[in-house]
Amino acid sequence: DAGITQSPRYKITETGRQVTLMCHQTWSHSYMFWYRQDLGHGLRLIYYSAAADITDKGEVPDGYVVSRSKTENFPLTLESATRSQTSVYFCASSEGRGVNEQFFGPGTRLTVL
Amino acid sequence: EDQVTQSPEALRLQEGESSSLNCSYTVSGLRGLFWYRQDPGKGPEFLFTLYSAGEEKEKERLKATLTKKESFLHITAPKPEDSATYLCAVHTRGASTSGTYKYIFGTGTRLKVLA
Repeated sequence: DAGITQSPRYKITETGRQVTLMCHQTWSHSYMFWYRQDLGHGLRLIYYSAAADITDKGEVPDGYVVSRSKTENFPLTLESATRSQTSVYFCASSEGRGVNEQFFGPGTRLTVL
Repeated sequence: EDQVTQSPEALRLQEGESSSLNCSYTVSGLRGLFWYRQDPGKGPEFLFTLYSAGEEKEKERLKATLTKKESFLHITAPKPEDSATYLCAVHTRGASTSGTYKYIFGTGTRLKVLA
């Protein structure tokens, strides 16, 4: 089915472990984004990518790593998870340059114990 | 500092009772203002984009308007299925502290429409 998917939908991990959240979109959108959503903060941009092999930091990038070797995939890695990274993570995509709406995935709920 | 503030935080309406949600912003150059709807356990769903003051967009019972300082989402004769969190976001010309793309979300208004 066309759209944007995320996996896993739920993840429990321990402090210090490496975790990778996956994001896949079928629209061939050039832009992709990772957000975290926490009570009282709303959605905050972690990283974004304008195209394959082009990534840049958002507002809260510390502790996260991204890569984009293919247009359709944009994985987010927590290299050494901390409790403060417990959150709901959303991936989104949008069409090319310009002011465009974003299309969001269903989210991944991550708990770091 | 760029900022987006939504009010009220929560709103309870009776079915058919019209109201408005507010999104006020202070940003260094607005490129676009977006409204999204978010249902529990799901990702935000796009509703509207507004680009300049005076612009209005409508979709079913929803109407979004934009001034130089704020945007309103008017809900006319709401139904229980309109219950959701409504998010406002701005795309600015300014750069973030780390990168060059700045897209700021408000914390949302949780709307509950009672039958």
